[in-house]
Formats: sequence, structure tokens, C-alpha cells
Amino acid sequence: DQQVKQNSPSLSVQEGRISILNCDYTNSMFDYFLWYKKYPAEGPTFLISISSIKDKNEDGRFTVFLNKSAKHLSLHIVPSQPGDSAVYFCAAKTGTYKYIFGTGTRLKVLA
Amino acid sequence: DSGVTQTPKHLITATGQRVTLRCSPRSGDLSVYWYQQSLDQGLQFLIQYYNGEERAKGNILERFSAQQFPDLHSELNLSSLELGDSALYFCASSVQSTGWETQYFGPGTRLLVL
Repeated sequence: DQQVKQNSPSLSVQEGRISILNCDYTNSMFDYFLWYKKYPAEGPTFLISISSIKDKNEDGRFTVFLNKSAKHLSLHIVPSQPGDSAVYFCAAKTGTYKYIFGTGTRLKVLA
Repeated sequence: DSGVTQTPKHLITATGQRVTLRCSPRSGDLSVYWYQQSLDQGLQFLIQYYNGEERAKGNILERFSAQQFPDLHSELNLSSLELGDSALYFCASSVQSTGWETQYFGPGTRLLVL
């Protein structure tokens, strides 16, 4: 059973516009959420995180929103740049040291 | 460059064989995590070590084992390999083991079992 789901395998966005990547989870015990970016032939790179006690966290062009009642997480990238083209993974942490990752969304930013 | 190194980059082997994947964490990091990414799958957490001791276990098969050595490098041993073990194996490291810190990932080892 996939506890963290990224239902959109891919997304294309024009350069300069907003990219919105979504993630749904099923376990209300998750207390920390992260987004990772992955380029081909490289390992995932940490992007931004949010604790379950917050509903928003910003870092430059990247903002993560958490809707606990809907068990939904989203990553907004504004403005999108061609260098943002990558696979984005959301991940959730349980009360232990265990992280559960989604299957990823491939973002393509068109110049 | 995350500072985490993994060797080898690629590995091709046959069913029934045994392989060892190696990971060197970032300087100063005490925690090492192992993940498996199969085709079209997310990263599956396998196991975590902290300062030489096993700290958490995920979906790791009994045919797989890992250890972390005194110099903090880690090895993941995969035995009696099956076709379905073909995947990307990532290692990540972090400073502590609270789970709240950032994990830094290596470039991965691509394993192909024929």
C-alpha cells in the first residue's frame, strides 16, 4: 500500500509560470515532510521541508503547503526556470527514522 | 556534489550471485541510510545505521544485509540475487539520527541482474 502518492507522473510548464507539484498521504502520524529534486544520473537533492505543525514554508522560489485535514502536500515553484526540470519526490517521516517516498513527478519547464 | 560517494556506479551480475555495494558518507556524518529504487517506483527505505549500529529497518529482504564500519563507511550486501533485485540503490547520510536533519544522497549504484 502506497502511503505517499504522487498521482501525476509528469508535468510540463512554461518558463516563468508557476509549477505546482502535488502529493497525497494516508498516514496521519507523519510529522515531517520533504521535497527532493533528482536530476538524471544523480542522487536526490533536498529541496525544502515542512513540519506537521506548520502549513506553509518558503525558501526563495519554492513554497511547500501542507493541508493536514486533506492529507495533501504541494510544492509551488515560482517562477519556473528550465533548470528546474527534474524529477521531484515528496517524502514523509513517521515517528521513527523511517522515510517514505512517493514515486516522483517529472517536471519539464519549457523555454 | 553531495559529498556522499558510492561504488561501483554500475554492476551487472547473474541470478543467484552475491554483490556488495559500498557507501562513504559525508565527512562528519554519522548516519547512513540505504534506499532501493526500482523501475517506476519511489525510493524504498531499506535500513539505517548510526555510528556503527543498526537504528531502523524498512522493507529490507532477508537476503540483504548491511553494516557500518568504524570508519563510518557502509556496505550493503545482496545475496541470492533475483531478476527483481535489479534497481538503483542509493545511500544517504546525515549528521545525526533524529530524522529531522537533511539526508544527503550519493549518486547511486545501478544493479542489473541477468
